[in-house]
Amino acid sequence: AQSVTQLGSHVSVSEGALVLLRCNYSSSVPPYLFWYVQYPNQGLQLLLKYTSAATLVKGINGFEAEFKKSETSFHLTKPSAHMSDAAEYFCAVSVPDKLIFGTGTRLQVFP
Amino acid sequence: EAGVVQSPRYKIIEKKQPVAFWCNPISGHNTLYWYRQNLGQGPELLIRYENEEAVDDSQLPKDRFSAERLKGVDSTLKIQPAELGDSAVYLCASSSPLSGRETQYFGPGTRLLVL
Repeated sequence: AQSVTQLGSHVSVSEGALVLLRCNYSSSVPPYLFWYVQYPNQGLQLLLKYTSAATLVKGINGFEAEFKKSETSFHLTKPSAHMSDAAEYFCAVSVPDKLIFGTGTRLQVFP
Repeated sequence: EAGVVQSPRYKIIEKKQPVAFWCNPISGHNTLYWYRQNLGQGPELLIRYENEEAVDDSQLPKDRFSAERLKGVDSTLKIQPAELGDSAVYLCASSSPLSGRETQYFGPGTRLLVL
């Protein structure tokens, strides 16, 4: 069965520092993988997605993620954190016709 | 392009009362999903519609939950009677083969508190 594991329920960085949010997946078939962001009291916004094309995927707001099959990982990065990046981030894998989400990582950005 | 619309945004009810949530998907999206997100967790699928047909309702607690999408556009999710454990955010999402069937677009959610 497909699943995702997000390592670290909370990540704190200083403004301007590198952001690294970890996601490992389990899938018996080539996966489609997603990162969504959720701001307080809002729905989920798609950041980026991997659908078996380029392994390095660029998304909105300066985020990118790299699909590494050998490590079964799809970590999310951003070179320089901004205060506005503070939110909850969810990794998800697509099984036919539904998304399986991880438990989320809350990103805090300190000035 | 308008996004997924949900109402109400917030709802507070007492246990055993009924409650209903409404969703209008992105225009042209024939697939509609209802998810429940418990505090501190990722969303979990409750039901998926292809047009007006519920094609996956395996995770919907059918003793108290019901849903409909009569004309294949907007949808209603109902709980009757509500229990304390139903307190959660209820998210609606939609997708279309034209924009990548696997990519789901989410609404802002309805935050339900059952007292």
